[in-house]
Amino acid sequence: GAVVSQHPSRVICKSGTSVKIECRSLDFQATTMFWYRQFPKQSLMLMATSNEGSKATYEQGVEKDKFLINHASLTLSTLTVTSAHPEDSSFYICSARGPFRGEAFFGQGTRLTVV
Amino acid sequence: SQQGEEDPQALSIQEGENATMNCSYKTSINNLQWYRQNSGRGLVHLILIRSNEREKHSGRLRVTLDTSKKSSSLLITASRAADTASYFCAPLQAGGGSYIPTFGRGTSLIVHP
Repeated sequence: GAVVSQHPSRVICKSGTSVKIECRSLDFQATTMFWYRQFPKQSLMLMATSNEGSKATYEQGVEKDKFLINHASLTLSTLTVTSAHPEDSSFYICSARGPFRGEAFFGQGTRLTVV
Repeated sequence: SQQGEEDPQALSIQEGENATMNCSYKTSINNLQWYRQNSGRGLVHLILIRSNEREKHSGRLRVTLDTSKKSSSLLITASRAADTASYFCAPLQAGGGSYIPTFGRGTSLIVHP
């Protein structure tokens, strides 16, 4: 299957700082990428859908000013957690929609810890 | 997009036994996919079954689909400790539109060595 690379895999930051997470499709072009958040022993909750060259579509309850998404190219989407707080500590996973309908490929996730 | 609901939420078995987990969904689908997530990792695509298929095999995995009951099952035969993970299904709703993978709580499988 296609490869999606997510970086960093782990990050620890101080409260009030911002953290950027990158999601790259390595061997295919992804016009659409998805960002998820997962708390321990919970499901993946869709945060937003990122479309190349346009604004992201956020799910209800997700603060767009706090979770900035940029999809500047067909192979890269970034999620920036701004002014991070301890409650933002979570596991963030990106996914890229494949070239065929019904395909999606996932990154390895980023464990964010805000101290 | 619609979300699949996995059942049971947790399953604990001994190595060598078979593990069966189920997925239910609400509306007609184009296809349904199963994913595995090891603890603290991303999702790995396991198998895709199309709406016109009833059964599909991949190694030790067997997936069935019953569109009349709107359900699917994933069977892992001769389980191994390395199969310990959470398993999610993701149905693709029929009728056009964009595919947005959404997930239920998953089935947490523990295989004891």
